[in-house]
Amino acid sequence: DFVMTQSPLSLPVTLGQPASISCRSSQSLVHSDGNTYLTWFQQRPGQSPRRLIYKVSNRDSGVPDRFSGSGSGTDFTLKISRVEADDVGVYYCMQGTHWPPWTFGQGTKVEIK
Amino acid sequence: QVQLVESGGGVVQPGGSLRLSCAASGFIFSSYGMHWVRQAPGKGLEWVAFIRYDGGYKWYADSVNGRFTISRDDSKNTLYLQMTSLRAEDTAVYYCAKDQRRTFDYWGQGTLVTVSS
Repeated sequence: DFVMTQSPLSLPVTLGQPASISCRSSQSLVHSDGNTYLTWFQQRPGQSPRRLIYKVSNRDSGVPDRFSGSGSGTDFTLKISRVEADDVGVYYCMQGTHWPPWTFGQGTKVEIK
Repeated sequence: QVQLVESGGGVVQPGGSLRLSCAASGFIFSSYGMHWVRQAPGKGLEWVAFIRYDGGYKWYADSVNGRFTISRDDSKNTLYLQMTSLRAEDTAVYYCAKDQRRTFDYWGQGTLVTVSS
């Protein structure tokens, strides 16, 4: 099975400062169709997960442009350009290239310092 | 707008059974694959099962294979998860999620399953 490894697992951030979360897969996530099926989810406290970004860098409708995704192959990054209070929660990466199973990272908890 | 509403959770004894439901609206249910994902208390997300749009293929996590069965009733726009031989480690919030070409674009609010004597 594929393993998705996120770092850091905890990320204290000052309001207005940038934040960056890394996600690494045990094997390349490039599919034979040329796409890379790496997704980022946000889970605010007490809520269900919400998709932020799909296929590495495509932002979902309604997601603020301070969120961006990048990367290729096995290394991916979610960046928040300026953290706001509303961004507190746990962020998960997930691979959909090689399934089953669909595999999530362990989650990164973003909190305000 | 897309809505997914889970129900059927509760407290069940080890070895017992439970059936979860997920009522879908706001999209053509019969055109999409659907997933169940769970989250144990204080833990991360774990994919549980997937059913293809036509019900023709089903996949399960190793941890539930042989004990859980995913199904769908397109006439009712409803997804199901039949859980048997439940264990303490199955305790979790269970979410249904809509598949969109190798990603999950919408999630329900979840239903809590507690396996305890």
